[in-house]
Amino acid sequence: KQEVTQIPAALSVPEGENLVLNCSFTDSAIYNLQWFRQDPGKGLTSLLLIQSSQREQTSGRLNASLDKSSGRSTLYIAASQPGDSATYLCAVVGNDMRFGAGTRLTVKP
Amino acid sequence: NAGVTQTPKFQVLKTGQSMTLQCAQDMNHNSMYWYRQDPGMGLRLIYYSASEGTTDKGEVPNGYNVSRLNKREFSLRLESAAPSQTSVYFCASSEMTRATNEKLFFGSGTQLSVL
Repeated sequence: KQEVTQIPAALSVPEGENLVLNCSFTDSAIYNLQWFRQDPGKGLTSLLLIQSSQREQTSGRLNASLDKSSGRSTLYIAASQPGDSATYLCAVVGNDMRFGAGTRLTVKP
Repeated sequence: NAGVTQTPKFQVLKTGQSMTLQCAQDMNHNSMYWYRQDPGMGLRLIYYSASEGTTDKGEVPNGYNVSRLNKREFSLRLESAAPSQTSVYFCASSEMTRATNEKLFFGSGTQLSVL
């Protein structure tokens, strides 16, 4: 059974800081890994999708990497802004889709 | 673009009552999903429908039933609500399942409380 873990559960940083969110998974037989953003009281919005054959994906200030052999993915956010404050979840698609519990990010002005 | 629409947004039930959560997507997606989100546990899959006319159990199906009414609509029914079903429920859709490049699109959620 795939287990997905996100550490830390919460993170607070000052505006402008570069930061890394972590996601680890136990089964490397995956189709893709996705990063989502969730704002309070809202649904999930897909940020980045990394296919199993890819090593990284970039969108604006976001960069996600994937290392299947070690069962790890990172989401790098450059020059963080207060508007980046949200919960970030990773999800791994294999035989099914498993989510991590998320990292709640607060960016202080 | 409406995307994935869920109704209702909030619901309070008494133990033993029944209700149906509605979900519709306008993206012509084949696959639809129901998840529940509980604090500290991430999202867990209740049921999914890979294509019109098919449904399959997910990780936590007990106490729920689903109906894929047509390609657009996928409903989740609680026949006899229990306090353990207090949660936030999300409907999602994708063009296909278990594909290398398929993104999931989510509705805004239904916050359900069972007293």
